[in-house]
Amino acid sequence: GNSVTQMEGPVTLSEEAFLTINCTYTATGYPSLFWYVQYPGEGLQLLLKATKADDKGSNKGFEATYRKETTSFHLEKGSVQVSDSAVYFCALSPLGGYQKVTFGIGTKLQVIP
Amino acid sequence: DTGVSQNPRHKITKRGQNVTFRCDPISEHNRLYWYRQTLGQGPEFLTYFQNEAQLEKSRLLSDRFSAERPKGSFSTLEIQRTEQGDSAMYLCASSRGGGRAAYEQYFGPGTRLTVT
Repeated sequence: GNSVTQMEGPVTLSEEAFLTINCTYTATGYPSLFWYVQYPGEGLQLLLKATKADDKGSNKGFEATYRKETTSFHLEKGSVQVSDSAVYFCALSPLGGYQKVTFGIGTKLQVIP
Repeated sequence: DTGVSQNPRHKITKRGQNVTFRCDPISEHNRLYWYRQTLGQGPEFLTYFQNEAQLEKSRLLSDRFSAERPKGSFSTLEIQRTEQGDSAMYLCASSRGGGRAAYEQYFGPGTRLTVT
């Protein structure tokens, strides 16, 4: 079956530090890949997505590249802010008539001033 | 576009009682999903509707769980004879649908269930 493995947190960084959250996946075919973010007290929001190999998703300074050869979709940001503190979920959905999303465990990021 | 709404936001119930949650999707979305999220875990897929048809149910959805989406609009998730292990956040999401494209799922704020 499909699965997503992401690094466990919490991750604590100082403001303006570089962020990497690792994510690898197992799936047949060519799934679509996502990063969702959950800010404290709020619902899940889509942060970025990539639908085919070598695509780069980007939003709000975050980036992730769909690497088919390493089955990875690592999330990066060059300079984090306190407002980026949240839980980040890597996820995939299989290519098909609908998108049942399989989520990773989530990585809590805390950015300190 | 008012987003996906869920009611109630919190529910505390005693073991053995029945509970029902409601989800109102974004109005033009024909796909609706239910997920369950326990503490420290990512959301797990429960079931999916295309319009009023329930097209897939996870093995996580035991016989005590039932979901409906009458008329393809709002959806309800009922849990009968609740158990402490049912304590979790129940998330609803909706999306457009059609073909093989990966449409974004919009999530509601969730209903937190506590079974005492």
